[in-house]
Amino acid sequence: AQSVTQLDSQVPVFEEAPVELRCNYSSSVSVYLFWYVQYPNQGLQLLLKYLSGSTLVKGINGFEAEFNKSQTSFHLRKPSVHISDTAEYFCAVSDQIQGAQKLVFGQGTRLTINP
Amino acid sequence: DAGITQSPRHKVTETGTPVTLRCHQTENHRYMYWYRQDPGHGLRLIHYSYGVKDTDKGEVSDGYSVSRSKTEDFLLTLESATSSQTSVYFCAISGGFEAQYFGPGTRLLVL
Repeated sequence: AQSVTQLDSQVPVFEEAPVELRCNYSSSVSVYLFWYVQYPNQGLQLLLKYLSGSTLVKGINGFEAEFNKSQTSFHLRKPSVHISDTAEYFCAVSDQIQGAQKLVFGQGTRLTINP
Repeated sequence: DAGITQSPRHKVTETGTPVTLRCHQTENHRYMYWYRQDPGHGLRLIHYSYGVKDTDKGEVSDGYSVSRSKTEDFLLTLESATSSQTSVYFCAISGGFEAQYFGPGTRLLVL
């Protein structure tokens, strides 16, 4: 079974600084990877996804992630963060069962932006 | 945003009572999922559906049952609620393997 490890439970950064949120997954023959963001008291919103092709994936709100097969990593980055990026971020890997997509989530990284 | 609603959005109930949560979609997606979110655990899959009347268990299915009689509705039932089922429950939908889209969640407190 797949597993996901988010290496930092909390990441504090200053506004306009760069940030990297780290995610490692257990290896598999084929893998689909996702980052979701959850703002306080809301559901999860898809930030970006890697299904195949280019290893650098661009998402919404200026975020990007790089798929590294050899290191089994899918780290999320943003060159300059804003107060509005304060949220919890979840990395997820997908297994397929009967065509359904079984997502396995990491425990989440809480990103706090300080002015 | 994907058309997903969950009801109720908040519920307080007592141990031993049955509880049903509803997920409704307007996207005509084939796949629907129920997750629970608990601090330190991320989201964990409870049950999923791959079509009308076609459902299967996820990672944490004990104490839960589901039903899907129409494409648009996926019900999660706690037959006899326990305090360990206090959580935030999310429904999600997908048309295939490209991504899942989540509803706003239901906060359940079992006293």
